[in-house]
Amino acid sequence: GESVGLHLPTLSVQEGDNSIINCAYSNSASDYFIWYKQESGKGPQFIIDIRSNMDKRQGQRVTVLLNKTVKHLSLQIAATQPGDSAVYFCAETGSSGGSNYKLTFGKGTLLTVNP
Amino acid sequence: EAGVAQSPRYKIIEKRQSVAFWCNPISGHATLYWYQQILGQGPKLLIQFQNNGVVDDSQLPKDRFSAERLKGVDSTLKIQPAKLEDSAVYLCASSKQQTYGYTFGSGTRLTVV
Repeated sequence: GESVGLHLPTLSVQEGDNSIINCAYSNSASDYFIWYKQESGKGPQFIIDIRSNMDKRQGQRVTVLLNKTVKHLSLQIAATQPGDSAVYFCAETGSSGGSNYKLTFGKGTLLTVNP
Repeated sequence: EAGVAQSPRYKIIEKRQSVAFWCNPISGHATLYWYQQILGQGPKLLIQFQNNGVVDDSQLPKDRFSAERLKGVDSTLKIQPAKLEDSAVYLCASSKQQTYGYTFGSGTRLTVV
């Protein structure tokens, strides 16, 4: 079946550095992608999204890049802070059709920020 | 705006026992989702409701799992009988319509021993 996966299961960075988290997807029909942050004991929290008609979208300290040619998604976090430590998931809408907006999640990357 | 409420936060049961989880979505959110998140994995959709109707339950193990949303507001997810592999966090999420704007609750962590 279609799947979304992450290249790196763990990422450790120094406070103040920039972080890049990668994600590969296999469904070429995917048209919407979301990055979620999940802290321990909490549900996933929306960070930023991007539609397939865009290559780049910026938020506050975060940027998402989409490369449809190689089906690759990345999340860039600028000036990473200890509060950014969490598991990060990418998610995509599958080709289920109709109005069923079912998100398919990848496995996740654990980001650890060292002070 | 209050978030998605879930209870209990934690539950430990023996295999073959029954368990139920409760979710109260954000007021006015018509769409409600139940996800299962096994440790170290991303959430997997179990069932999606639009008001009190089921939109998608294709990944719900219907021989042991059931869910309802009788009045189109809060929802319960039940497992009967539980298996060891059901140990996971069960997340509830809601959105205003069938859009991408999900809000997740904190989840119920189930341990089956």
